[in-house]
Amino acid sequence: QKEVEQNSGPLSVPEGAIASLNCTYSDRGSQSFFWYRQYSGKSPELIMSIYSNGDKEDGRFTAQLNKASQYVSLLIRDSQPSDSATYLCASLKRGSGTYKYIFGTGTRLKVLA
Amino acid sequence: NAGVTQTPKFQVLKTGQSMTLQCAQDMNHNSMYWYRQDPGMGLRLIYYSASEGTTDKGEVPNGYNVSRLNKREFSLRLESAAPSQTSVYFCASKLNSGGNEQFFGPGTRLTVL
Repeated sequence: QKEVEQNSGPLSVPEGAIASLNCTYSDRGSQSFFWYRQYSGKSPELIMSIYSNGDKEDGRFTAQLNKASQYVSLLIRDSQPSDSATYLCASLKRGSGTYKYIFGTGTRLKVLA
Repeated sequence: NAGVTQTPKFQVLKTGQSMTLQCAQDMNHNSMYWYRQDPGMGLRLIYYSASEGTTDKGEVPNGYNVSRLNKREFSLRLESAAPSQTSVYFCASKLNSGGNEQFFGPGTRLTVL
């Protein structure tokens, strides 16, 4: 079992709809979680981080964390074609002298115009 | 302020050849990371470094060596390239404190024939 799991997709949603991306993790010691967006041929960029149970909103994005269920999600409201990308979920784990990130395999999102 | 830079952007090697991928950051970050990204596999950590002069193995270190000679630069060396090392390589950096955002370089696309 991978430490961070995501459905690879593609997840297709119509323009203007809510896209819901999900991620589960196996290490109960994980405290911090991140959502990265990666356009084809580009490097990942951070769009949301969440550290405590509940919801965190930033513009059209809402991250949700449920530590009891070991579940993280990202909601994108009013999805736009420009949101079409691969979304990577990551957890933070203590390493040697610093932290290291454990990434899921990513979910490909397609927003249909 | 260039952020994280990587050279080269593209490289083709023959099996058995060696090469070094270069990474530099100008953000005064302490931690630096090397990842590889393969289709369907997400980002996998090869090596990381908490500070100048220290390095540690990640998830997939076999076939690679790294060097952190100073705070800015973190290089990845393939001593004898194999086709299984065909991948996109990303370097990333972050502060050890005051935030957990990783900043990624643009990537190096490596093909080993």
